[in-house]
Amino acid sequence: AQTVTQSQPEMSVQEAETVTLSCTYDTSENNYYLFWYKQPPSRQMILVIRQEAYKQQNATENRFSVNFQKAAKSFSLKISDSQLGDTAMYFCAWGTSYDKVIFGPGTSLSVIP
Amino acid sequence: DTAVSQTPKYLVTQMGNDKSIKCEQNLGHDTMYWYKQDSKKFLKIMFSYNNKELIINETVPNRFSPKSPDKAHLNLHINSLELGDSAVYFCASSQDSGVLEQYFGPGTRLTVT
Repeated sequence: AQTVTQSQPEMSVQEAETVTLSCTYDTSENNYYLFWYKQPPSRQMILVIRQEAYKQQNATENRFSVNFQKAAKSFSLKISDSQLGDTAMYFCAWGTSYDKVIFGPGTSLSVIP
Repeated sequence: DTAVSQTPKYLVTQMGNDKSIKCEQNLGHDTMYWYKQDSKKFLKIMFSYNNKELIINETVPNRFSPKSPDKAHLNLHINSLELGDSAVYFCASSQDSGVLEQYFGPGTRLTVT
């Protein structure tokens, strides 16, 4: 069965610094998608970034970028120039085009002023 | 202009009652989902509908019954509520049943007393 692991339940970072959130997954599939979702205290789930497994180039979205290591089944999220509004739960997720999305347990990130 | 909306946002009720949560999306998406987020923030899919047809039905008690009157709406009815049903329930939608990004509603916090 596919699993998604986030080994850091909580993290903190100083404002303007860079932080990396870890995610690993287990699958025997070759074609799949990976996502990072953000859930701020408002509770709203927001898609941060998405990566297709067949693409070697790491996805980037403004201050958010990923380090996708397919062989290692690793998908970390880097947040540069951290802002107070980045304080949130971050969920790593895995899915295929024909099956459900599986979410990791989440990492609670606090940005400290 | 809300993309995915849910009503109500908060629901407090007593054990044994029957309640419904409504979800609507105005994105023209074909696929809608219900997720349950427990007190530890763990997010798990419950149901998925594609064009009003049930495509994912996880191991959920049959007290939970989804209903999709049209592809823009997916409601969740819960019979004989139990204390363990207390959670945040999220509705989401995606363009189709392939794993494209999912857009989430604001969530409904259900508290069973």
